[in-house]
Amino acid sequence: NAGVTQTPKFQVLKTGQSMTLQCAQDMNHNSMYWYRQDPGMGLRLIYYSASEGTTDKGEVPNGYNVSRLNKREFSLRLESAAPSQTSVYFCASRDGDKTSHEQFFGPGTRLTVL
Amino acid sequence: GDSVTQMEGPVTLSEEAFLTINCTYTATGYPSLFWYVQYPGEGLQLLLKATKADDKGSNKGFEATYRKETTSFHLEKGSVQVSDSAVYFCALIPYSGNTPLVFGKGTRLSVIA
Repeated sequence: NAGVTQTPKFQVLKTGQSMTLQCAQDMNHNSMYWYRQDPGMGLRLIYYSASEGTTDKGEVPNGYNVSRLNKREFSLRLESAAPSQTSVYFCASRDGDKTSHEQFFGPGTRLTVL
Repeated sequence: GDSVTQMEGPVTLSEEAFLTINCTYTATGYPSLFWYVQYPGEGLQLLLKATKADDKGSNKGFEATYRKETTSFHLEKGSVQVSDSAVYFCALIPYSGNTPLVFGKGTRLSVIA
């Protein structure tokens, strides 16, 4: 049982380049989330998908797009990377139907934009 | 809107010291409350939770009690170890259900031998 997996683990981009961060979960969870973590800022929600086929903006969606490919996979795309998007990105999933509401996180992708 | 406020760090303690990290929240209804821990270079993992007033969550020697009257969920440990050095996040889920976790900004704890 792998939980939440993210690829790649590290990435360096030049300003203006594009890339897609991949996330997959094997826990049959309905809900998936993308966060970014910057020093002193805690975790900020970028986008989320409450269920397969739906996506919603979070606190900081500008410059990002997402795709809920199926129940397992939720990708985050940077169309034209900017230095302000240098951050650590975390994917998470949760079974929204359970009252325990525990949210499981992936190991993160460390992105640097030069 | 719903929010979580936790004490700013960093917090530096000697091994075997008592730990308290304060967390207060603002929410309508009856949220579920959580503490997550992030060890260096890793993602977040659930440390403990409480889903109703007066519940006490506990794990690995850490405890927190859901206090509705003071809207608080303070994290405590009687004797910290070097291995407890990490960033701790307080979080809530509103009672309304399938909505994202609301996180505090995190508190970095360093324990020195």
